Amino acid sequence: ETGVTQSPTHLIKTRGQQVTLRCSSQSGHNTVSWYQQALGQGPQFIFQYYREEENGRGNFPPRFSGLQFPNYSSELNVNALELDDSALYLCASSILQASGGNEQFFGPGTRLTVL
Amino acid sequence: GQNIDQPTEMTATEGAIVQINCTYQTSGFNGLFWYQQHAGEAPTFLSYNVLDGLEEKGRFSSFLSRSKGYSYLLLKELQMKDSASYLCAVRVSGGYNKLIFGAGTRLAVHP
Repeated sequence: ETGVTQSPTHLIKTRGQQVTLRCSSQSGHNTVSWYQQALGQGPQFIFQYYREEENGRGNFPPRFSGLQFPNYSSELNVNALELDDSALYLCASSILQASGGNEQFFGPGTRLTVL
Repeated sequence: GQNIDQPTEMTATEGAIVQINCTYQTSGFNGLFWYQQHAGEAPTFLSYNVLDGLEEKGRFSSFLSRSKGYSYLLLKELQMKDSASYLCAVRVSGGYNKLIFGAGTRLAVHP
C-alpha cells in the first residue's frame, strides 16, 4: 500500500509569485484535504476535495485554490504569495463515508518559504 | 467559534506516565483525534474517540467526555522516542472530513 506523497519537499518563492504544490493520495482513498501549518501551530484546514469537486473550505482567501484529478491526486495553488503564506503545507487523504468522514493519513508536507 | 486548547509544553521522565489534556468548543462534533508529530514530519494517527469513555491502544490511551468538551491522551512507559508534539483535533459535522486542530503540546522526555 502506497502512502501519501507530496512534492516538492521544500520551496522558496518571493512575494507576489504563484506556487503549485502536489499530492498523491493513498491508494483507494477518494478524498484529499489540504492544511496549512505555521511554525509552532496546529494545522489549519484550507479545503477538501471529493470526486474532483471542492466540498468544504476553511477560512482562506480565494487566491488559495485546488484541483483533484481522476486518479485522486491533487494540487494546491496559491496566487499572489504573501510573507505570511510561509508554512508547512500538508495533504491528507481519506475515504469519505456516508457517516461523514474517516481517519486522515497525512503526507510529509511541503515547506514553503516566501521571501 | 471553534476553539481547542491544550498545554503548550510538557516534560516527563523516561518510564513515567504523562497525561495531555485537551478541551474543545466547536460548532458540531463528529469525533476527536490525537496525532503525534515529530519535528519536520507529518502528523501520524494515534487514537480516535467518538463516544464517551476510554480507548486503549498499547502504551497509549485516550479518553473523551462530550458533555464536558474534554479529552486526554495518556502515554505510559514513556520512551525517548515519544518526544514529539501531540495534536488534538476535532472533526466537525458537515458531511466532510474537516479537522480543527489545537496548537499542539510539545512533550520532552528526559532520561
